[in-house]
Order: sequence, then structure tokens, then C-alpha cells
Amino acid sequence: QVQLVESGGDVVQPGKSLRLSCAASGFTFHSYGMHWVRQAPGKGLEWVAVIWFDGSEEFYADSVKGRFTISRDNSKNTLSLQMNSLRVEDTAVYYCARDRGAYDYFDHWGQGARVTVSS
Amino acid sequence: EIVMTQSPATLSVSPGERATLSCRASQRIDRDLAWYQQKPGQGPGLLIYGASNRATGVPDRFSGGGSGTEFTLTISSLQSEDFAVYYCQHYKTWPPMYTFGQGTKLEI
Repeated sequence: QVQLVESGGDVVQPGKSLRLSCAASGFTFHSYGMHWVRQAPGKGLEWVAVIWFDGSEEFYADSVKGRFTISRDNSKNTLSLQMNSLRVEDTAVYYCARDRGAYDYFDHWGQGARVTVSS
Repeated sequence: EIVMTQSPATLSVSPGERATLSCRASQRIDRDLAWYQQKPGQGPGLLIYGASNRATGVPDRFSGGGSGTEFTLTISSLQSEDFAVYYCQHYKTWPPMYTFGQGTKLEI
């Protein structure tokens, strides 16, 4: 079955960097687009970024553009999110999610990785 | 920018009763809408896509409806496992943009 397992969450100071990873299994990873979605404490869901199945295209929410970079290694079935210049408002649980195939909705989600940005 | 507004914020219903959750888009979005269920401590799960299509494995007590700007998620007879937070999501495929509503908490 499809499994997405995030890792790399931590407590970091404002202005620092952090890299999240998502290990995918149970499906043909290189055939699917992948997303990152975040959820601030007690809040709703916010889409962060998407990467095409072959890594050829990336798109970002305005709130993270220029600071976050999504990438993937199809040889290792791994999705990553490099987060630079972190802000207090980036504090959230970060989920990786599989695109269903047409860059529309998300048909499988991970359990999330917690990122806390605090001095 | 399209804004998705869900109502009510919290809905209190008894098991066995029917629940109707609403989602409104600030502009017409045809049927480019999905619904997700999220239980405490878990990632969301897909319920409905294309406004009215049930995802694989979703019980038929869940149904979605609407088009344009007004959408509903109906749970016909609430089971204990249905008490959770529900989110609607608009998806725009080009350029990609994904907007969630703020959620409706369904409580006993």
C-alpha cells in the first residue's frame, strides 16, 4: 500500500535552515507529482509546493517563494523540502502528499513532520 | 485569488443523524473541488474529488454536491468514526494553485 513517511522535523531559530524528507513506498514514485502541505498549530491546511513527476517543474505558494525549495530523487523514492530563512510563521506540521496524477487533488498523505521556529 | 469559505466552523450532531457541511468559493470554480477528512494526530484523507466523486474505499454515506461557487458534503448517517475535521479544497491545474477552506469540525 502507499506509504509516505516524513522526517527531519526539528526546533530551529529564526533565520536558520532545515531540510525535510519524505520516503515513499508502495507505488511507482517516478510516475507521480508530489506536494508539501503545512498546518500551523490549531489552524487549517496551506499548500506549500509541488514538483512534477520528473522534477522538471516546481511551483510554490507566495508565502515561501524564494525561501523554500522542493526536490526529489526518483532513484531513492524520496521527496525533499529545503527550508531557508525560516520565520516564526513557518512553524507547522509539514505533510507530503501524492498528487493523483493530473496536478489537481491529493490522494495520499503522510503523517507529518513538526517544525518549530522559535528563538 | 480564490478564497474558500466553509460553514459552519463547528457542527454538533448525534450519531445516526445526517450532517451537511458547506463550502463556498469566492469565484466560480466549476467542479474543481475536493473534500478531505482529518482526525487528530493524522494526515488528511481524500473523501471526494470533482465535487461529487467518492475516492476509493470511502463509504457511500459520504456524498458531495454542487458546482460553480456552492458545494456541500453530506454524511447521511453519522458513525462514531466520522467525527473529525473536514476541509474543502479548490485546485487549479495551471498554473498550479491549491486553496483550502478553514475547515469544519464535526463533533458529537
